[in-house]
Amino acid sequence: ETGVTQSPTHLIKTRGQQVTLRCSSQSGHNTVSWYQQALGQGPQFIFQYYREEENGRGNFPPRFSGLQFPNYSSELNVNALELDDSALYLCASSLETGAQTQYFGPGTRLLVL
Amino acid sequence: GESVGLHLPTLSVQEGDNSIINCAYSNSASDYFIWYKQESGKGPQFIIDIRSNMDKRQGQRVTVLLNKTVKHLSLQIAATQPGDSAVYFCAETGNAGNMLTFGGGTRLMVKP
Repeated sequence: ETGVTQSPTHLIKTRGQQVTLRCSSQSGHNTVSWYQQALGQGPQFIFQYYREEENGRGNFPPRFSGLQFPNYSSELNVNALELDDSALYLCASSLETGAQTQYFGPGTRLLVL
Repeated sequence: GESVGLHLPTLSVQEGDNSIINCAYSNSASDYFIWYKQESGKGPQFIIDIRSNMDKRQGQRVTVLLNKTVKHLSLQIAATQPGDSAVYFCAETGNAGNMLTFGGGTRLMVKP
């Protein structure tokens, strides 16, 4: 186990709703990255938070937003949910930003109906 | 954009045999590579990593080889076991170093 935890494990929402996913990083890790993994594909980078600031963003619209807290835990918020947002959302923590190993949590499975 | 890809989507091996999973990357500026194993319903699990100043690194039953000349990465698993059955992803860090770019994955199936 990596020590990275995510909640909830599963979630069902309807189109247009908003969702908040949560992640607790591994002890001592100050960097959290979020990824979206569609069924049968590799994870896609959404963004990274380092010391409570966004530190890089992938090709995702502004309705995907995040926060990092002083204890380095993080939230991913998605507004105006679309059917294509259905995916496994993965959180990964690392000791620092840059070329560091990222350790993944178990993910949150989101289904948008 | 630049991406990491894999040659074989599915690899089937006999228990006890060695497995080799290949990966091609296109970003010549990548300086850090990781192999992850993902079992059904779980997040990716770190297996082994390698930096661009190395061409080989060994772990327990696993070896990663990096050929920067042809931008190729491989994962070798010795004495493959049923518990090795999973999807394997290679990933690389680009110029910013803060995001991992993943390939599409290779499914490894181990036959008893």
